[in-house]
Amino acid sequence: DAGITQSPRHKVTETGTPVTLRCHQTENHRYMYWYRQDPGHGLRLIHYSYGVKDTDKGEVSDGYSVSRSKTEDFLLTLESATSSQTSVYFCAIGADSNTGELFFGEGSRLTVL
Amino acid sequence: DQQVKQNSPSLSVQEGRISILNCDYTNSMFDYFLWYKKYPAEGPTFLISISSIKDKNEDGRFTVFLNKSAKHLSLHIVPSQPGDSAVYFCAAISSFAGNMLTFGGGTRLMVKP
Repeated sequence: DAGITQSPRHKVTETGTPVTLRCHQTENHRYMYWYRQDPGHGLRLIHYSYGVKDTDKGEVSDGYSVSRSKTEDFLLTLESATSSQTSVYFCAIGADSNTGELFFGEGSRLTVL
Repeated sequence: DQQVKQNSPSLSVQEGRISILNCDYTNSMFDYFLWYKKYPAEGPTFLISISSIKDKNEDGRFTVFLNKSAKHLSLHIVPSQPGDSAVYFCAAISSFAGNMLTFGGGTRLMVKP
């Protein structure tokens, strides 16, 4: 298994509160990604990183920010959580951006009440 | 506008028979197509991929076929096993779109013993 862990695995929070999800890898991969999975939508890219302090927006980035201060850690922050951000969030890592082969974490289930 | 679509949300197959999962796309610039498999409460795992310059790729019981003129790809599983029961995501990547993976909505495969 690829060395990728997400925390927390489950979180329930209230609307308007800040939330940070953490992704940690031990593979030293350059690329890291945050996706959300919702029924009927598959996985949609939120933000990604192609190196330390190098990040960019994905398809559904509104309401989210990210930071990558170390190669191994990629943080996803919801500054003020909304009910529409209730979802399962997956972190992924990849060594090569060209082929699309990614290793995914086990997911973080977030419920915003 | 979904560039990658899986029109069948679910598929049920008898053990030992063939499973055929379908995927359509609209972007002719995709370079690679991939299939990911996802079990409940786990992250997606890479299954098989195919380059846009090929029309078939085989790996054991899994074969992916690409029909570029129809913008269609399919995953064949022969013979199907109960352990194949999972959600399968089709995905595509384009170097012209920043090498971001675009996923379909997924198809839930159920293989009955």
